[in-house]
Amino acid sequence: EDKVVQSPLSLVVHEGDTVTLNCSYEVTNFRSLLWYKQEKKAPTFLFMLTSSGIEKKSGRLSSILDKKELFSILNITATQTGDSAVYLCAVGGAGGTSYGKLTFGQGTILTVHP
Amino acid sequence: DTAVSQTPKYLVTQMGNDKSIKCEQNLGHDTMYWYKQDSKKFLKIMFSYNNKELIINETVPNRFSPKSPDKAHLNLHINSLELGDSAVYFCASGDRAGNEQFFGPGTRLTVL
Repeated sequence: EDKVVQSPLSLVVHEGDTVTLNCSYEVTNFRSLLWYKQEKKAPTFLFMLTSSGIEKKSGRLSSILDKKELFSILNITATQTGDSAVYLCAVGGAGGTSYGKLTFGQGTILTVHP
Repeated sequence: DTAVSQTPKYLVTQMGNDKSIKCEQNLGHDTMYWYKQDSKKFLKIMFSYNNKELIINETVPNRFSPKSPDKAHLNLHINSLELGDSAVYFCASGDRAGNEQFFGPGTRLTVL
């Protein structure tokens, strides 16, 4: 069965700190890895990664994928209170019954204090 | 607004009842999904439909029956509700490859 594991499960930091969130996976047919941010309601898309070693960046957030070691990290620099959320990692399947299916990790709860 | 919408946002009901949740997307996507998020925030896929055809059907009790009248709508009907069905149900849409999926606001179902 496909598995996605995130660490840490929760993290409390102060504004201005830099955080690194981890996601490791074991899937039968890997196609992509996605990061989502979930505040009070719906998850919102952050990044999709398909190739190893290519960093995706959006403002203070960046992410990179290592397909050999089967993990990804999400970095947030100069954190702000608005970054407080649950960060979800998901892996997309590539073929057969996995095609189109996203398997999510359990999420990392990030709390940023002023 | 272009979006994925769900109704109702909250649903409180008694065990044994039957209820439905509706989902609509106006993003022009071919594929729609239902996810269940439990109290520990674990998001798990239940079903996906591509252009009205069932593509993914995870090991979900057959009390749950999705219906897609057209590719912009995917409804979820639940029969004989149980306590364990209490969760937030999210509808999402995207392409069949599982690229970026857009999520609806969720329906919080509470079974008493």
